[in-house]
Amino acid sequence: QVQLQESGPGLLKPSGTLSLTCAVSGGSISSNNWWSWVRQPPGKGLEWIGEMYPSGSANYNPSLKSRVTISLDKSKNQFSLNLSSVTAADTAVYYCARDSQMVRGIINYYYMDVWGKGTTVTVSS
Amino acid sequence: DIQMTQSPPSLSASVGDRVTITCRASQSIFSYLNWYQQKPGRAPKLLIFAASSLQSGVPSRFSGAGSGTDFTLTISSLQPEDFATYYCQQSYSSFRTFGGGTKVDIK
Repeated sequence: QVQLQESGPGLLKPSGTLSLTCAVSGGSISSNNWWSWVRQPPGKGLEWIGEMYPSGSANYNPSLKSRVTISLDKSKNQFSLNLSSVTAADTAVYYCARDSQMVRGIINYYYMDVWGKGTTVTVSS
Repeated sequence: DIQMTQSPPSLSASVGDRVTITCRASQSIFSYLNWYQQKPGRAPKLLIFAASSLQSGVPSRFSGAGSGTDFTLTISSLQPEDFATYYCQQSYSSFRTFGGGTKVDIK
C-alpha cells in the first residue's frame, strides 16, 4: 500500500526557508490524488498548509499563501514544501498526506487517507 | 474560509461508554466532512469520510452522521485504544479546514 515519508532539516534559523520532501512509495504520485501538507504546532491542533494535483494545480491556506510553494517531482515520485521567511510560529510537526477522492454520482469526496509519520521542525536562533 | 467548531473540547469517559462528539461548520458543507483520530506522537488516522462512510479497517463502533452544518461522531462502546484526540475536517472548500479537536480521556 502507499506509504509516505517526510524528510528535511529539523532546525532552522528565523528568516530562513523551510524545505521538506515527502517520498511516495507503493504508488504513483501521478495518480488522481491531491498531495497535501498539514502541520501541528506543539500542543495545538492541525493546520492545513496546501496541496497540489499532478496536473500542477495547487491550493494554499490563504494565511500562508505568500510564503508557501508546493511542488511535485514525478521523476522521483516525491513532493515538496517550501515555506519562506520562517519565524518561531512556524515551529511544528509537519505531515505530508494523500488527499484521495471518491466519486459518488456526480460528487467528488476528498479525504486524507494516507499520512506520513511527521517530521519536527524547530525555528530558533 | 469555513470555520469548523468542535464540542466539547475535551471529555472524560469510561470504557464501555457511548461517546458523541459534535462538529459544526460556519456554512453548509453538505456531506464533505471527515473525521480523524490522533494519538500522542502519531499521525492522524482517517476514521470517517463523506460524513458517514467508514474507512476500511476502522471498527464498526465508530459512526458518523449529519449534513449541512451539523455533524456527529459517535463511538458506541468506548474501548481502551479509543482514548485519543478527534478532529473533524471539511473538504467542501479548496481551502481545507480542521476543527479544534476533542480530547477523549479516561474518567
